Amino acid sequence: KQEVTQIPAALSVPEGENLVLNCSFTDSAIYNLQWFRQDPGKGLTSLLLIQSSQREQTSGRLNASLDKSSGRSTLYIAASQPGDSATYLCAVRLRVPGTALIFGKGTTLSVSS
Amino acid sequence: GAVVSQHPSRVICKSGTSVKIECRSLDFQATTMFWYRQFPKQSLMLMATSNEGSKATYEQGVEKDKFLINHASLTLSTLTVTSAHPEDSSFYICSARQASGGATETQYFGPGTRLLVL
Repeated sequence: KQEVTQIPAALSVPEGENLVLNCSFTDSAIYNLQWFRQDPGKGLTSLLLIQSSQREQTSGRLNASLDKSSGRSTLYIAASQPGDSATYLCAVRLRVPGTALIFGKGTTLSVSS
Repeated sequence: GAVVSQHPSRVICKSGTSVKIECRSLDFQATTMFWYRQFPKQSLMLMATSNEGSKATYEQGVEKDKFLINHASLTLSTLTVTSAHPEDSSFYICSARQASGGATETQYFGPGTRLLVL
């Protein structure tokens, strides 16, 4: 059974720091991996999606990498800002058509000004 | 990008009543919709997979008679929490998979519905 783990569970940093969020999954037979942002009491905002054949994706200050063989992904946030404060969720989709995403518990990030 | 809406965004009800939550794909057809539940400080847990025109597939531990799912059209799925109890209080989120699919197939998430059962 696929399990997704995110470390750390919570992270507090001062504004301007670069930081890395970690995600690991137990079954490397994934279709893709996606990083989401969730603000308190809100839905999900998709940040980056990495197909299984890709190594990384970049969007602005965000960079996500994928090492499928080792079952790991990282989300790198450069020059963090208070507006980055949120919970970041990692999710994988298995290599079965039409299946749902399997989520980690998330990392709650707090960036202080 | 594709938009998925949910209604209502927030509902408070008395114990024993039934609550219906709607999930709509606004600008695409969704053959498959997924219903997730998220308890405080927990991750999203899949409750059921809903395919248009057929019965939903429920995850282990989810009572199909309590959580009724109807996917009557390619743009609408509903989740009805029957005889709701305080332990059903949670954040319910739906996602829709675009019918065309393909190599970059993506699921689009609704904004969620906060249910509080008193």
